[in-house]
Amino acid sequence: DAKTTQPPSMDCAEGRAANLPCNHSTISGNEYVYWYRQIHSQGPQYIIHGLKNNETNEMASLIITEDRKSSTLILPHATLRDTAVYYCIVSNAGGTSYGKLTFGQGTILTVHP
Amino acid sequence: SQTIHQWPATLVQPVGSPLSLECTVEGTSNPNLYWYRQAAGRGLQLLFYSVGIGQISSEVPQNLSASRPQDRQFILSSKKLLLSDSGFYLCAWNVRRPGAEKLFFGSGTQLSVL
Repeated sequence: DAKTTQPPSMDCAEGRAANLPCNHSTISGNEYVYWYRQIHSQGPQYIIHGLKNNETNEMASLIITEDRKSSTLILPHATLRDTAVYYCIVSNAGGTSYGKLTFGQGTILTVHP
Repeated sequence: SQTIHQWPATLVQPVGSPLSLECTVEGTSNPNLYWYRQAAGRGLQLLFYSVGIGQISSEVPQNLSASRPQDRQFILSSKKLLLSDSGFYLCAWNVRRPGAEKLFFGSGTQLSVL
């Protein structure tokens, strides 16, 4: 699976949009981009995933660049409860590695009042 | 709907004692099952995964073992715990098909080996 690079930490004001970047320059054609988050002392929670098109669900939006070498997770109106570690993961869908996600260090997002 | 149960939530064990953590999934059939560990201040490390009853794959050599006696039951064990086994243990599942990396995690077990 391709490696990802994320900033170690970010801050965001409550009510503002949080834009979390992720670089995955070695991504291959059949690899998806996944985002999870982990609130302290809890199990990670799936947020969203995409292949090459932008995606949106009730939690967030995922913007993937045309060359697929980077992506941005957008939380449109951050709340204090969005404070968590956010993981960007690239994984081979369809190969023998499905489900074997490699979690890096992620980005610690702190939402402040 | 599907749910995953993992227990206990916290556990304090002496060095050299045995370990058994259990995880069960409800509301689905033939899931892939996983055990992850998170050491303090570090990322999640995949320990074991299983694609079926009795089928266990280990990702890293260690003092732990896993078993899957039933379709929706996954057990993490050790005969003798080490200090380095301390950490946050997470069970996870997903549907068994390619492309389904949408993992669902349990609430975790915080293990302290003293």
